[in-house]
Amino acid sequence: SQTIHQWPATLVQPVGSPLSLECTVEGTSNPNLYWYRQAAGRGLQLLFYSVGIGQISSEVPQNLSASRPQDRQFILSSKKLLLSDSGFYLCAWSVPYSGQPQHFGDGTRLSIL
Amino acid sequence: QQPVQSPQAVILREGEDAVINCSSSKALYSVHWYRQKHGEAPVFLMILLKGGEQKGHEKISASFNEKKQQSSLYLTASQLSYSGTYFCGTEKPGYSTLTFGKGTMLLVSP
Repeated sequence: SQTIHQWPATLVQPVGSPLSLECTVEGTSNPNLYWYRQAAGRGLQLLFYSVGIGQISSEVPQNLSASRPQDRQFILSSKKLLLSDSGFYLCAWSVPYSGQPQHFGDGTRLSIL
Repeated sequence: QQPVQSPQAVILREGEDAVINCSSSKALYSVHWYRQKHGEAPVFLMILLKGGEQKGHEKISASFNEKKQQSSLYLTASQLSYSGTYFCGTEKPGYSTLTFGKGTMLLVSP
């Protein structure tokens, strides 16, 4: 069966520090991968998605970037965090066809001080 | 464009029914429904692909009216475990990304 791992679960970072969140999927090949951010009490905002290695589409301009160095690995990064980057970050995967459900990792709760 | 969900919040007593609506201004290929418990990740409930399609999962069912670009989630005989925030995600034809609504918070009390 397929599983998705996301870490760390919780992160507290100072303003201006770098960020690296990692997500890996097991049990499937060539998945679509997604990064979402959820502000407290708010909906899910799609940040990036990827349909293959090295293929990244950005949905929202921000100081974040994403990379997919391997088929089942998706990384969210920032060189300098802002206070507004606080939130709940979720990685998700789906089979690479339209009309397929997305399955979410457990998320990373990021607090910027 | 973000789909509109209504109502924003619902409070029920155990055993009561609820309907959550999701509407879009764009043509849709599919509608997805998720439930998120506080502090947890969203969990997939069901996906509707065809106009007029209805699906069910235990006492939770949904419909999708393709022409009206609307979907509704029906929760019957609600249980305490149904509490959480429900999100609809809409998928446009030719895309594999979802746009989520702002969510509907459901609280079921004993």
